Amino acid sequence: GDSVTQMEGPVTLSEEAFLTINCTYTATGYPSLFWYVQYPGEGLQLLLKATKADDKGSNKGFEATYRKETTSFHLEKGSVQVSDSAVYFCALGAQKLVFGQGTRLTINP
Amino acid sequence: SAVISQKPSRDICQRGTSLTIQCQVDSQVTMMFWYRQQPGQSLTLIATANQGSEATYESGFVIDKFPISRPNLTFSTLTVSNMSPEDSSIYLCSVGEGGTGRGETQYFGPGTRLLVL
Repeated sequence: GDSVTQMEGPVTLSEEAFLTINCTYTATGYPSLFWYVQYPGEGLQLLLKATKADDKGSNKGFEATYRKETTSFHLEKGSVQVSDSAVYFCALGAQKLVFGQGTRLTINP
Repeated sequence: SAVISQKPSRDICQRGTSLTIQCQVDSQVTMMFWYRQQPGQSLTLIATANQGSEATYESGFVIDKFPISRPNLTFSTLTVSNMSPEDSSIYLCSVGEGGTGRGETQYFGPGTRLLVL
């Protein structure tokens, strides 16, 4: 079945550092890909998405490109802030989502 | 995007009891989804709730343990029955927007944090 693998956390960075959170997937067909973010004590918020190969999703300085050849959807941000501290989930699908295990990110001032 | 609310936001329950979680959406939607997030874990789909029909459960989840109601196009409930400490989780509902299939995006409610003692 479909699956998503994320880099293991936790990840700790200093403010203004460059961020990459790796996400690879296995799927039949070409599903949509998503990044969701969960801030402490809150539900899931959609961060960005891509619906087909070579699409780039972007939001709040975060970017991810749908790479069919490497089955990847890595999340990047050029300069992280303390407020980016959260758990990030990569997911695939449409109506029924398959999630990665989540990556906890902590940004220190 | 749709505005989704859940009640209660959190609860502490005794083992052997049941809790019903409500999910309300501010627009009419065909399908609603219920997920479970166990402590420190990812999200797992419990079931899909269609208005006017029985819910469809994923492998490992059964109706007797997680009965679902879907009385109209804006509301659904999930009951966690005969609870044990292993049921301590965050329960989230979600709805899709933007079409069907590839174009659809799931939006989530704030979740219900359940602790079973």
